[in-house]
Amino acid sequence: AQKVTQAQTEISVVEKEDVTLDCVYETRDTTYYLFWYKQPPSGELVFLIRRNSFDEQNEISGRYSWNFQKSTSSFNFTITASQVVDSAVYFCALSEYGNKLVFGAGTILRVKS
Amino acid sequence: DAGITQSPRHKVTETGTPVTLRCHQTENHRYMYWYRQDPGHGLRLIHYSYGVKDTDKGEVSDGYSVSRSKTEDFLLTLESATSSQTSVYFCAIKQGADTEAFFGQGTRLTVV
Repeated sequence: AQKVTQAQTEISVVEKEDVTLDCVYETRDTTYYLFWYKQPPSGELVFLIRRNSFDEQNEISGRYSWNFQKSTSSFNFTITASQVVDSAVYFCALSEYGNKLVFGAGTILRVKS
Repeated sequence: DAGITQSPRHKVTETGTPVTLRCHQTENHRYMYWYRQDPGHGLRLIHYSYGVKDTDKGEVSDGYSVSRSKTEDFLLTLESATSSQTSVYFCAIKQGADTEAFFGQGTRLTVV
């Protein structure tokens, strides 16, 4: 069965620090998709990135970067030079080819000025 | 923004009463999902649908049923609401296996 584990319940950093959010997944499928979502204090869920199981290239988008490693079943998310506006709950999610989409428990990120 | 609307946005109901939450989409996406969000548990999948009249259970389906009689609507019913079903409920839509899901704004349900 598919499963996503975000072991870090809450992380607090000071502005401008780098922070990495961990995501470990379990699946029996060879074709699957991984996602990261952000939920700011306003409550909406905002899509950040999608990765398929055949594309292990890391990705960078501004201050955000993602490290996908199939060998360790991990899809970690790093924010460089964090800002107060990055304070949110971040969710990692996994979709197998059958399209059941499951989420991890989320990591609360608090960035203090 | 993806055309997805949840109704109602807030509801207070009494224990033992039936409750139906509606998710409506205008995107013609094939897949629809219902989640509940509770502190410490993240988003837990209740039920999902992969087409009209095609639904399947998620990880926390007990006490919930769903129906999808047309592409645009996915209904979540609490047959007899309990206090443990007090939560924020999110609906999501997804076009295909390799696409991201878009979420509604959520429904805050309180069972007293």
